[in-house]
Amino acid sequence: QKEVEQDPGPLSVPEGAIVSLNCTYSNSAFQYFMWYRQYSRKGPELLMYTYSSGNKEDGRFTAQVDKSSKYISLFIRDSQPSDSATYLCAMSNGSSNTGKLIFGQGTTLQVKP
Amino acid sequence: DTEVTQTPKHLVMGMTNKKSLKCEQHMGHRAMYWYKQKAKKPPELMFVYSYEKLSINESVPSRFSPECPNSSLLNLHLHALQPEDSALYLCASSQDRGQGRETQYFGPGTRLLVL
Repeated sequence: QKEVEQDPGPLSVPEGAIVSLNCTYSNSAFQYFMWYRQYSRKGPELLMYTYSSGNKEDGRFTAQVDKSSKYISLFIRDSQPSDSATYLCAMSNGSSNTGKLIFGQGTTLQVKP
Repeated sequence: DTEVTQTPKHLVMGMTNKKSLKCEQHMGHRAMYWYKQKAKKPPELMFVYSYEKLSINESVPSRFSPECPNSSLLNLHLHALQPEDSALYLCASSQDRGQGRETQYFGPGTRLLVL
């Protein structure tokens, strides 16, 4: 079993829809949670960063962490064709010995005009 | 400014060539990373430098040789690569390691093709 599970999709939605992207994880030591957006043939771009449980909102994006369920989500409101990309979740346990991020497989999102 | 730059953008090399990839950041970050990414896969960690010292080598073949000349620069020297090494090579940096400071900022990548 992978430490982080993420449905690769593809996920196709109409413009204006609310998009929900999710990851589950098995390591209860994870404390820091990130979402990256990666356009085709580009490097990943940090979208959201959350520490421990709770919600964080930034414009059309909301990140949620439920540590009791080992489940994180990224919501995109009023989705746009420009949101079409691969979304990667990543997490770490905050250990100074590694600094490693554990990535999900990435979900490919297509927003159709 | 959360920018990490990488050169070149594209690289084609033969299996006997020697080439280098370069990465630069001016955010004052003290940890820098090399990743390899194949199509439709997440980035795969290769090396971690912390305070200009190699701290993690994820059992990468010796045909890949990293170098950190100073706190802003990171190089990846390539020699005698194989066609299966063709991939997008990503550089990233973070403030530090541990306690959430390992949130990483990625460069645009170098797309490498080995013939």
